[in-house]
Amino acid sequence: KAGVTQTPRYLIKTRGQQVTLSCSPISGHRSVSWYQQTPGQGLQFLFEYFSETQRNKGNFPGRFSGRQFSNSRSEMNVSTLELGDSALYLCASSLGPGVNTEAFFGQGTRLTVV
Amino acid sequence: GDSVTQMEGPVTLSEEAFLTINCTYTATGYPSLFWYVQYPGEGLQLLLKATKADDKGSNKGFEATYRKETTSFHLEKGSVQVSDSAVYFCALSDRRGNTPLVFGKGTRLSVIA
Repeated sequence: KAGVTQTPRYLIKTRGQQVTLSCSPISGHRSVSWYQQTPGQGLQFLFEYFSETQRNKGNFPGRFSGRQFSNSRSEMNVSTLELGDSALYLCASSLGPGVNTEAFFGQGTRLTVV
Repeated sequence: GDSVTQMEGPVTLSEEAFLTINCTYTATGYPSLFWYVQYPGEGLQLLLKATKADDKGSNKGFEATYRKETTSFHLEKGSVQVSDSAVYFCALSDRRGNTPLVFGKGTRLSVIA
């Protein structure tokens, strides 16, 4: 079956702009989580959605937001981009909360802010 | 809060050498433990996992044992190959899957022929 699909793979934006990243989970998966990966901070949790509701949120400013649609696809948005937002953004999907629920990751979107 | 500490890299080994990557954790409660691997230009793939004390996760020749008494989950492989070159992440989550994965900083492994 198809894996987690993230689009676009690469993105270059200018400071102050906004950006929207997309994640299509594995068919049947209802939970989508987003992570930011940087060389300095490693992998940091942004937020998690399940059945269109935000279940958990990491410690990021309000410029970072997300949503999930009825087909479980998710988008995250970053407004007023800063140089420090340059990172690899990873999306992970899983069946949902529960014991031994494995998370499957997409290849990520590489965002560069100039 | 929960945290994961893993050995700093990079680690450089010759092919067929023995690999150990140390991982210790701090958690309230009784977490599930994971090792993920990230190959160049790719996302993360689950390598192995363990959900209770003394469980041994294994996959592709890699093993890790959940040690509750030492709060550790060290990754080992008896004979590494060049194709094992990647970044390895130790992670935890609560056993019900109600909290997000908490990752270590990652350890870059380079295996030379």
